Amino acid sequence: DAKTTQPPSMDCAEGRAANLPCNHSTISGNEYVYWYRQIHSQGPQYIIHGLKNNETNEMASLIITEDRKSSTLILPHATLRDTAVYYCIVRASNTGKLIFGQGTTLQVKP
Amino acid sequence: GAVVSQHPSWVICKSGTSVKIECRSLDFQATTMFWYRQFPKQSLMLMATSNEGSKATYEQGVEKDKFLINHASLTLSTLTVTSAHPEDSSFYICSARGGWEGNTEAFFGQGTRLTVV
Repeated sequence: DAKTTQPPSMDCAEGRAANLPCNHSTISGNEYVYWYRQIHSQGPQYIIHGLKNNETNEMASLIITEDRKSSTLILPHATLRDTAVYYCIVRASNTGKLIFGQGTTLQVKP
Repeated sequence: GAVVSQHPSWVICKSGTSVKIECRSLDFQATTMFWYRQFPKQSLMLMATSNEGSKATYEQGVEKDKFLINHASLTLSTLTVTSAHPEDSSFYICSARGGWEGNTEAFFGQGTRLTVV
């Protein structure tokens, strides 16, 4: 499975955009990039996923570089409720397993 | 998104007893379910993958006789922690996926906090 690298922590001011980077330099051509977040003591929440095109939904935008070796999750207007651990995962194409790394702890501050 | 429900949300049991945790997909058929364990201040660790009607595939280091997984229907998987000990105390989380394609997202239950005393 491709490994991902994320910064351990980030801060963001409330109302500002939060840009969370992720490196996945060994990603294979048919592997998707998934983003989940986990608020304390809850199960992970699906945010967004993509293959090579940029994606947007009601929660966030996902920007994937042309070489697919990195991506950025963008929360356009962060709120205090967005404080969570954000996980960038490259899903194994054959097994479908989601292997979690350490993620980025995003702290949104007033 | 789709709803995955776990039951119970928390459980306290005595050492040596067995505990069963249920994971249900409420509004879709889950062809595959995954079980994770999470210790405090750590990330989720995948324990096993189960496909409906077949035996679960366990990750390296996970004892299949201790963590019994049953996926008898497309909407229900169970994890039984047998002869639980205090070191099994953890947050157990299931996830379910409805399709085989690479772009089918998995949804997670709310987790079950197990405390063995």
